[in-house]
Amino acid sequence: ETGVTQSPTHLIKTRGQQVTLRCSSQSGHNTVSWYQQALGQGPQFIFQYYREEENGRGNFPPRFSGLQFPNYSSELNVNALELDDSALYLCASSLGDRDEQYFGPGTRLTVT
Amino acid sequence: GEDVEQSLFLSVREGDSSVINCTYTDSSSTYLYWYKQEPGAGLQLLTYIFSNMDMKQDQRLTVLLNKKDKHLSLRIADTQTGDSAIYFCAERRGYNKLIFGAGTRLAVHP
Repeated sequence: ETGVTQSPTHLIKTRGQQVTLRCSSQSGHNTVSWYQQALGQGPQFIFQYYREEENGRGNFPPRFSGLQFPNYSSELNVNALELDDSALYLCASSLGDRDEQYFGPGTRLTVT
Repeated sequence: GEDVEQSLFLSVREGDSSVINCTYTDSSSTYLYWYKQEPGAGLQLLTYIFSNMDMKQDQRLTVLLNKKDKHLSLRIADTQTGDSAIYFCAERRGYNKLIFGAGTRLAVHP
C-alpha cells in the first residue's frame, strides 16, 4: 500500500456532464500528478501539482483542470464529458516534483 | 504510450526467469522505472534506475540499461504465479512527467 487514496472508486456519468475526482497524497508528499489510463494502454500524463501550483501539463484539453489544497490533496475536474474520457484515472504522489511517484488505486470513470 | 515500446505479452513457466524488454526514445531521460499493475489495481513501483547506471539488482529483480541503444530490461528470477500482472516501463521526461509504454502482460503457468 502506498498511502495514496482516491475517491470514488467507480463513477458513471453521462456525456456532457462534469466530474470531480479526488486524491489524498501520501503523508509528507507535496506533489500530485494525474494520469489517464485507457483500457489496454499505459497511463498518460495529464498534469502535475506542486505546492498548490500547476507544474507541467500533458496533451489534454483545457476542460481537464485541477486543484491542489494546502494539505496537498488534489482534485481533477473534467467538464463536458465525452465518451473517450472513459478510463482509469490515477493519481500519484511524490516527495517533490522530481521524485519517485507512488500511485493510488485509481478511479474508474465510465461515460455513457 | 508515446515513444516507449514494449512487447505486449510474455508467458513463462513457474520457477523460470522472465525478461521484459523496453525501448525508449529520449536520451536525456534521467530515470527509468518499472511498475507492476495487477487486475483492477493501481500501479506499484517495483524499481528504478538512474541513467548513469548499467545495472541495478533488488532481490529477485535485475534491471539492465543500455543507454546507447536506449534499451531497458527487467529480469525476474524464479518467477512465481504471484508475478502474473502487467509490467510498465516508464521514462521520466523533463523533470516530472512519466511516459509509459503500453505494458507487457506476464503470464506464469505451472
